[in-house]
Amino acid sequence: ETGVTQTPRHLVMGMTNKKSLKCEQHLGHNAMYWYKQSAKKPLELMFVYNFKEQTENNSVPSRFSPECPNSSHLFLHLHTLQPEDSALYLCASSSSGTKETQYFGPGTRLLVL
Amino acid sequence: GQQLNQSPQSMFIQEGEDVSMNCTSSSIFNTWLWYKQDPGEGPVLLIALYKAGELTSNGRLTAQFGITRKDSFLNISASIPSDVGIYFCAGPNAGGTSYGKLTFGQGTILTVHP
Repeated sequence: ETGVTQTPRHLVMGMTNKKSLKCEQHLGHNAMYWYKQSAKKPLELMFVYNFKEQTENNSVPSRFSPECPNSSHLFLHLHTLQPEDSALYLCASSSSGTKETQYFGPGTRLLVL
Repeated sequence: GQQLNQSPQSMFIQEGEDVSMNCTSSSIFNTWLWYKQDPGEGPVLLIALYKAGELTSNGRLTAQFGITRKDSFLNISASIPSDVGIYFCAGPNAGGTSYGKLTFGQGTILTVHP
């Protein structure tokens, strides 16, 4: 397995459900990111983790809860979501340093009913 | 905050034509990144530019880091149907407290007719 992987690729959930998105990177990077991509909008950064520590929370509602147990894995726990949270959720990783080129996973397409 | 203005928003071209798109900013960037996103997939890095004036190629793709450091250009020569997708420019936010924050352009949707 190479690059950045995400599971599941597709998810349908009701507003009362609890689910988790998983991201794994095999690039030896130490920074990981969650983005939200809605139709006709630029990518929105949600969270940044650097060496397992959260360094950025871009005013994300508490119904989204990230977890980073180690530099290779990143989770996004979801609960009591709203229909407007339906979007493509992208994970990315990068190495520390000045050249912060980020590499993206394929994304999880989320539909909240 | 920093914003990137990407144009055009969409392009409809014939196979074999050349394509040009650009990205401008009101503030200086030290790095410019160009990504392509296929439908249902995550963005894939095409070209990274780290120096003002730099011109870098990746196959039929060529990107340039503007001298003013406020713009960048991506050209695709002799387009083919698989070039279809959304092209994004991006750059890291300035400032020591903004680690890992990339600003993305709105994207250019490219359609290639056979």
